[in-house]
Amino acid sequence: AQSVTQPDIHITVSEGASLELRCNYSYGATPYLFWYVQSPGQGLQLLLKYFSGDTLVQGIKGFEAEFKRSQSSFNLRKPSVHWSDAAEYFCAVGAWGNYQLIWGAGTKLIIKP
Amino acid sequence: DTGVSQDPRHKITKRGQNVTFRCDPISEHNRLYWYRQTLGQGPEFLTYFQNEAQLEKSRLLSDRFSAERPKGSFSTLEIQRTEQGDSAMYLCASSFVATSVWNIQYFGAGTRLSVL
Repeated sequence: AQSVTQPDIHITVSEGASLELRCNYSYGATPYLFWYVQSPGQGLQLLLKYFSGDTLVQGIKGFEAEFKRSQSSFNLRKPSVHWSDAAEYFCAVGAWGNYQLIWGAGTKLIIKP
Repeated sequence: DTGVSQDPRHKITKRGQNVTFRCDPISEHNRLYWYRQTLGQGPEFLTYFQNEAQLEKSRLLSDRFSAERPKGSFSTLEIQRTEQGDSAMYLCASSFVATSVWNIQYFGAGTRLSVL
């Protein structure tokens, strides 16, 4: 079955500390992977995507993610979080030509001052 | 490029009433998607259009739900005889799809529906 798992429902991080949000997927085809961020009351904004090539991808707002095929993971990282990063983060997987993305349940990031 | 627009942003209605939401996609995008999102969950796919043709509907989309995209531009999602279980955020996304272009979906801010 195709699925995306984000094991952490909430993560609390101090401002200035590093961050890693986990994403594991189960997908039959070659996966194309995405991280989106959703601020309260807002739609989803694309942070970064992985299609092929370099397994470390850079995104907006200083985020990066690493694709590890052997672990079926696509974890999101940021070296130093800012209070404005407080939001909910969603991992999604799709395949070439497939309109439908499979979404994780999201991880809510809380920033401690 | 003004992004994906959704209207209204919030809708409060009484059970049994009909509601209609509108989505204006990014102008050159040929695909338009509707999702539903409940608290603590990721988006759930409802339906999508390629230009004006509705190509797929999720089993989540009961007979009370209907979506249109006349002329392949804006889209409407109507829910008839609303139920309290319909309370959710309804998200619209659009993308440009071609043989050599990946399907990156851009989302609107959503319409939050509350059914009393």
